[in-house]
Amino acid sequence: AQKVTQAQTEISVVEKEDVTLDCVYETRDTTYYLFWYKQPPSGELVFLIRRNSFDEQNEISGRYSWNFQKSTSSFNFTITASQVVDSAVYFCALTRYNQGGKLIFGQGTELSVKP
Amino acid sequence: EAGVAQSPRYKIIEKRQSVAFWCNPISGHATLYWYQQILGQGPKLLIQFQNNGVVDDSQLPKDRFSAERLKGVDSTLKIQPAKLEDSAVYLCASSHRDSGELFFGEGSRLTVL
Repeated sequence: AQKVTQAQTEISVVEKEDVTLDCVYETRDTTYYLFWYKQPPSGELVFLIRRNSFDEQNEISGRYSWNFQKSTSSFNFTITASQVVDSAVYFCALTRYNQGGKLIFGQGTELSVKP
Repeated sequence: EAGVAQSPRYKIIEKRQSVAFWCNPISGHATLYWYQQILGQGPKLLIQFQNNGVVDDSQLPKDRFSAERLKGVDSTLKIQPAKLEDSAVYLCASSHRDSGELFFGEGSRLTVL
């Protein structure tokens, strides 16, 4: 069975601090995709990144970076120099290679960035 | 480009009543999904359409939930009769391909009293 665990329920930081959101997954598949989505207070989920299981290179996009480690089944997300606008619930998700839209989500981490 | 449209945004009903939610995906997106998000949890897929055909409805409680996507464009999700545990946000999403890069609507929040 596939499972995604986000052990941090809530995180609170002060603006400009760096913050890392943890994600651990379980799957027996050798080929799969991992995702991060952001859910602001308005409710819609916003796609941030997709990573396939064959690509363990770290990814950086502006203030966002992702660390994928198959050895520990983790796909952590770091926000550098956090801003108030980063306040949201962040979800890590997993899908089988041939089931692109059937995302298995973690429970989410609520990030609060205070000015 | 217009995003995924959903209505109504909020609905309050009593248990055993029925309710319907509507979704209009992004133009040209062949794949449409309905997810259920219970408070404090991640979304869970209820049903996936490819054009007007069902790809996956394995987690849809078919005794009370139904969904259709006539003409392969907009979709309706119905609950009849509603139970207290159906209180949740119902999220519609669409994608150009079955790639996992889903575009979500703002959701329809259902409260069952």
